[in-house]
Amino acid sequence: AQSVSQHNHHVILSEAASLELGCNYSYGGTVNLFWYVQYPGQHLQLLLKYFSGDPLVKGIKGFEAEFIKSKFSFNLRKPSVQWSDTAEYFCAPGGDTGFQKLVFGTGTRLLVSP
Amino acid sequence: NAGVTQTPKFQVLKTGQSMTLQCAQDMNHEYMSWYRQDPGMGLRLIHYSVGAGITDQGEVPNGYNVSRSTTEDFPLRLLSAAPSQTSVYFCASGTGDTGELFFGEGSRLTVL
Repeated sequence: AQSVSQHNHHVILSEAASLELGCNYSYGGTVNLFWYVQYPGQHLQLLLKYFSGDPLVKGIKGFEAEFIKSKFSFNLRKPSVQWSDTAEYFCAPGGDTGFQKLVFGTGTRLLVSP
Repeated sequence: NAGVTQTPKFQVLKTGQSMTLQCAQDMNHEYMSWYRQDPGMGLRLIHYSVGAGITDQGEVPNGYNVSRSTTEDFPLRLLSAAPSQTSVYFCASGTGDTGELFFGEGSRLTVL
């Protein structure tokens, strides 16, 4: 069975600081990887996804993530955060069924202070 | 565009009561699923469906029933509510065309 670990539960940054959120997964087969974001009071929405090809994927709002197969990692990055990035971020690996039966990490709550 | 619609948004139940959380999507997605979100535990899959008439269990199915009689609807039934089922429930749908899950706004359930 696949599992996922998000290392940081709470992160506090000032605006313009750089962000990196760690995500490690364990899955032996074909892996598809997702980051979802939940802004305060809103539903989850897709930030970015990796299926195959270039391991550096770009998502919405300036976010990117790098798939490193040898490290079983899919870390999320943003060079300069904004106050509006305050949200909870979830890493979610999927197996060969893609987006189906996603296993979500416990989430990282990011607070960006102005 | 309505997307994924969940009702009710809030519900308070007494232990032992039953209820149904409704979920409807208007995107003609073949895949639908229910998750529960609890503090410090992320989202856990309860049940999912890959098409009308087909359902299967996820990680935490006990105490819940689902059915999928139409493509659009995927109700989640709590048979006999327990305090451990106090949670926020999310319905999600998706299609292989985009490889993306679309979530509803959630239903907050409290069981006393």
